[in-house]
Amino acid sequence: GNSVTQMEGPVTLSEEAFLTINCTYTATGYPSLFWYVQYPGEGLQLLLKATKADDKGSNKGFEATYRKETTSFHLEKGSVQVSDSAVYFCALFYTGGFKTIFGAGTRLFVKA
Amino acid sequence: KAGVTQTPRYLIKTRGQQVTLSCSPISGHRSVSWYQQTPGQGLQFLFEYFSETQRNKGNFPGRFSGRQFSNSRSEMNVSTLELGDSALYLCASNLEGSLTGELFFGEGSRLTVL
Repeated sequence: GNSVTQMEGPVTLSEEAFLTINCTYTATGYPSLFWYVQYPGEGLQLLLKATKADDKGSNKGFEATYRKETTSFHLEKGSVQVSDSAVYFCALFYTGGFKTIFGAGTRLFVKA
Repeated sequence: KAGVTQTPRYLIKTRGQQVTLSCSPISGHRSVSWYQQTPGQGLQFLFEYFSETQRNKGNFPGRFSGRQFSNSRSEMNVSTLELGDSALYLCASNLEGSLTGELFFGEGSRLTVL
């Protein structure tokens, strides 16, 4: 079946460090891929998305490229800030499935 | 444009009771999904509604039910509460149902079962 696997956290970084959070997926067909972020006490919000192979989603300095050959959608940011501390969820959606499947989430702590 | 609104935000119940949670989607959104979030299980899909029809359901017991009204507002109900039902229940809406996939989440209803 369809599934999403992302690296376990927590991930602790110093401010201005480089961030990578790995995400791989298993899916039939051609799903859309997403990264959502959840700040403390809030619901999830969309960070970025890619709808087909080789698409790059980007937002707020974060990037992820849809790699069909490696079934991956790794999240990267060149220089993290304390305000990036949150839980990050990788997710996939496929038309007709009527549901989004989420990874387990990766908690990021950024120290000043 | 108002976001997704969930009520109540917090509630405490005891085992055996039932609870009803409400979700008002973004105006114009006709698809509503529900998720259960717990530290151990992450985000688990409960069900999805579009134009008052349930189109998909997750692997939860029959104690978990939902419905959607003609104005797209949705409710979910959990009967005979168990301790393990303590969780954050998240509602999300989507503009075109199954086409874009992008979800807009509410802040959740945090249920504590004692």
